[in-house]
Amino acid sequence: GIQVEQSPPDLILQEGANSTLRCNFSDSVNNLQWFHQNPWGQLINLFYIPSGTKQNGRLSATTVATERYSLLYISSSQTTDSGVYFCAVAGTGTASKLTFGTGTRLQVTL
Amino acid sequence: GAVVSQHPSRVICKSGTSVKIECRSLDFQATTMFWYRQFPKQSLMLMATSNEGSKATYEQGVEKDKFLINHASLTLSTLTVTSAHPEDSSFYICSAVGVPTNEKLFFGSGTQLSVL
Repeated sequence: GIQVEQSPPDLILQEGANSTLRCNFSDSVNNLQWFHQNPWGQLINLFYIPSGTKQNGRLSATTVATERYSLLYISSSQTTDSGVYFCAVAGTGTASKLTFGTGTRLQVTL
Repeated sequence: GAVVSQHPSRVICKSGTSVKIECRSLDFQATTMFWYRQFPKQSLMLMATSNEGSKATYEQGVEKDKFLINHASLTLSTLTVTSAHPEDSSFYICSAVGVPTNEKLFFGSGTQLSVL
């Protein structure tokens, strides 16, 4: 199956800083999504982005499918951004059956 | 966005008992639901995929007789952990896709199961 690796595994930021999270995957995908899991366990869908670039407020994401990676940018971080960020992918023919990456644990401090 | 409701949020049970977890899509038709398991500080592991009206498809290594999944309608799927043991203790999360969410996945809030 597809392997999904995320980096860095852990990240500590001061409020207001910017960051870039990376997701590498081992095979062609037709579905890639980014999620934020808050400290209470709830997963929120941030982006559906199998290719191209999208922006939503302080967050943006870029997927370069031909090079098998995706980036999540967080600008002007806030303490509420803390949690774990997961990238999840699905290969061709597997539709929504997502394989989750290892996650990046983000802590934003005052 | 689409809302997925999962209950209960937390359950503590004795070893040998069965526990049922419900997952409902509140404002969309969930043609497919997924059940994941997550251990502390780890990623999500897919357990099974269920389509409305058909038998669930289990991932390799997941015991279908222990983790019974029913997807009887377009808005409800249930996971029953049968004869639970302490090693079944985990965080269980459901997710759903459908109309009109298409490929975008939405998650329930999860169920923390503790088996004593």
